[in-house]
Formats: sequence, C-alpha cells, structure tokens
Amino acid sequence: DAKTTQPPSMDCAEGRAANLPCNHSTISGNEYVYWYRQIHSQGPQYIIHGLKNNETNEMASLIITEDRKSSTLILPHATLRDTAVYYCIVRPATGNQFYFGTGTSLTVIP
Amino acid sequence: SQTIHQWPATLVQPVGSPLSLECTVEGTSNPNLYWYRQAAGRGLQLLFYSVGIGQISSEVPQNLSASRPQDRQFILSSKKLLLSDSGFYLCAWAGQRDQPQHFGDGTRLSIL
Repeated sequence: DAKTTQPPSMDCAEGRAANLPCNHSTISGNEYVYWYRQIHSQGPQYIIHGLKNNETNEMASLIITEDRKSSTLILPHATLRDTAVYYCIVRPATGNQFYFGTGTSLTVIP
Repeated sequence: SQTIHQWPATLVQPVGSPLSLECTVEGTSNPNLYWYRQAAGRGLQLLFYSVGIGQISSEVPQNLSASRPQDRQFILSSKKLLLSDSGFYLCAWAGQRDQPQHFGDGTRLSIL
C-alpha cells in the first residue's frame, strides 16, 4: 500500500550533493513524509521527516514542495558510506502503519 | 535512550518446524510495535503491528502469527514453517503521533 513513487536507482559522485526525489501525489493534509535508508543486511535507519516545512538535521535536508505532492531528500556531501537503498514513506500522524515501497538504490561513486 | 533488541541474528530451520522470534524494546513505554519481512532484493512488507498488550493487527494472511504478552515484547511465531517463509525479518517500534519508526538489526531466516 505504498503511496510513494521513487526512481529505482541513482548514482552520485563522492563529495557531491545527492538529491533523491519522491512523488506522493495523493498525500493527505495530515500525512507526514518520512525518509529511511537501508544498508545491505541491516535494518532501515531513520533519516528525517516533515509535514509542510523544509527540515534539516545532521544527516540530510528534506525539501517538500508547496503543494506537498513531492519531496526531495538531499545528502549535502555524499560519501561512499551513503550507498544504500533510500525509502520515502507517507503516513498520517494518527495512523499506525508504515508502508515501505521499493525505494531508490543510491550508489556513491568514488 | 531507547533501544530495540531482536534475536537471533540468523536462523536456519527445516520445513515444517515451528518458529519463535522475539523482539524487546527498552527505554520507552507503550510503543507501537511492528514486524516486517523482506524478501531478497525486495522492499519491506508489513506483517503485523500492535498498539498495546494483546492487540495485534495483521496486514496479510499468512502462515505466521504475532503476540504481545508484555508492553515492550513482541513475538513472531509459526507452527509449521514453509519454504516461502524465508526472508529477513525486522522488528520496529514507534512512539505516538508523528514519531518515526526505529528498527532492530533483523533476523535472517532460511528454510531448508
């Protein structure tokens, strides 16, 4: 029941910004956008989430369009350790389920 | 701080054998708890979630069941494993409202 669409794969040069897009055109007004990443054979790691405003933390920035139908996760200076599958999820604040799609496989190239 | 423990890390079981995977959370109370399965090269499939002791919601019909005997304990079980039950099983917890999920390290289950 994933409500998001992401490109299956992307490459990024080491040291450059990685911009990962996500479409969530059916998002409702009370639904948050969450980003996770999963490095092979590990559990997913929470990165960032937001509702309307852009958000930034020590890992990444989240840019949400004004109509909230899409968002972009920005890793400002990608390193080889950022190679992972990145998942974008939408979920209402009062909902209990998190539905993961197939994500974007990001490869950071030396 | 909150931590989540999931064990065992790997498990090899014969077809038809029972299964019990355990997950415990520390440092929080009344968390929402989740079990996911991930087939090789695929995304995460939500199997069960629980909002409280004894409260289990099943997302997909299957050969598995879940129980929550204590506030911070979540157990995934099967009476008879099938080959199709192989996969990477992940437990997660989340707080209330918009708080994100946090995952354990997973159990890699192989059925022979």
